[in-house]
Amino acid sequence: RKEVEQDPGPFNVPEGATVAFNCTYSNSASQSFFWYRQDCRKEPKLLMSVYSSGNEDGRFTAQLNRASQYISLLIRDSKLSDSATYLCAVKDDKIIFGKGTRLHILP
Amino acid sequence: DTGVSQDPRHKITKRGQNVTFRCDPISEHNRLYWYRQTLGQGPEFLTYFQNEAQLEKSRLLSDRFSAERPKGSFSTLEIQRTEQGDSAMYLCASSRGTSSNEQFFGPGTRLTVL
Repeated sequence: RKEVEQDPGPFNVPEGATVAFNCTYSNSASQSFFWYRQDCRKEPKLLMSVYSSGNEDGRFTAQLNRASQYISLLIRDSKLSDSATYLCAVKDDKIIFGKGTRLHILP
Repeated sequence: DTGVSQDPRHKITKRGQNVTFRCDPISEHNRLYWYRQTLGQGPEFLTYFQNEAQLEKSRLLSDRFSAERPKGSFSTLEIQRTEQGDSAMYLCASSRGTSSNEQFFGPGTRLTVL
């Protein structure tokens, strides 16, 4: 089992729709979890940390399920500018990234 | 700009040549990480430092790769006898010391080996 797994997509979603991504991780001792956004040929940028109680930042909601070892990202009212690759990241001493999920928001 | 910086941004070299990349982390960050990313993949961990100490190296880091952070500030990543398979984006990131803190990435150095 890979350390961090994501569905690579692409997800093609009409503007205004809600989209959700899941990510699973193998190390049950992992302590910190993040979602990064990466635009084409750019570096990853932190979108949000994921807390045990779940957290929300505007249209974005992140959830952590330790029992099942997955994290999720929900994007509501999607915008064209949300088109990007979303990287799941799990950290102990170093961050391990998934391969990313590509999202295309369609006008 | 107080973010992570990397130099050069692009490097084209011939197979067999040596290349060296530099990363300057955010000034108060004591951890520095190197990753490699190829098309369609997420960043793959290579190595990381806490201050000047290199704490972990991935098995991806063959003996042709070496990284240093001599004064606990900037870091260099050297690739000797480059191969075409080394072509990738090399990303540097930094963070504060605790494991819960997020990493911030530099813009990367894109290496092309001909």
